[in-house]
Amino acid sequence: AQSVSQHNHHVILSEAASLELGCNYSYGGTVNLFWYVQYPGQHLQLLLKYFSGDPLVKGIKGFEAEFIKSKFSFNLRKPSVQWSDTAEYFCAVNRGGYQKVTFGIGTKLQVIP
Amino acid sequence: DAGITQSPRHKVTETGTPVTLRCHQTENHRYMYWYRQDPGHGLRLIHYSYGVKDTDKGEVSDGYSVSRSKTEDFLLTLESATSSQTSVYFCAISEPGTVNTEAFFGQGTRLTVV
Repeated sequence: AQSVSQHNHHVILSEAASLELGCNYSYGGTVNLFWYVQYPGQHLQLLLKYFSGDPLVKGIKGFEAEFIKSKFSFNLRKPSVQWSDTAEYFCAVNRGGYQKVTFGIGTKLQVIP
Repeated sequence: DAGITQSPRHKVTETGTPVTLRCHQTENHRYMYWYRQDPGHGLRLIHYSYGVKDTDKGEVSDGYSVSRSKTEDFLLTLESATSSQTSVYFCAISEPGTVNTEAFFGQGTRLTVV
């Protein structure tokens, strides 16, 4: 069965610091990869996605993620975080052609002004 | 935001009672999902549907049943609620076969079983 690992469960950063959240998955075939964000009290929203092509994916609000197939990784990055980025971030994977999406346990990001 | 409505948004119920949560979509997406979100567990799939009357179990389906009699509605029933089912429940939808196959989520239902 496929699984998704998010290594950092709780991250605290100061404003303007750089962010990198790790995500690894276990499935070896074709995958679709996602990062979702959940602001306090809200539902999950798509931040960015990878289906094919350029492994460096740019999303909303200055976020980007890089798919490294050899490392089974899809890490999320942002050069300079803001207080408004305080949220929980979920990595998700589904096998190409299948609809079931598997989520990681999430990473809570707290940005201190 | 995608047209997904969950009802109720909040519910408190007693142990042993049946509870039904409703998810309604206006996007005509074929796939619908029910997840539960608990601290330290991320989102776990309960059941999903790939068409009217077509459903399948997810990873945490025990104690839950679902029904989909119309494309737009997906019901989740807790047959006899237990305290371990206290959680936030999210409905999601997706449409296969397009580049936009990501899931879109509803606002969530906070269920408390006392």
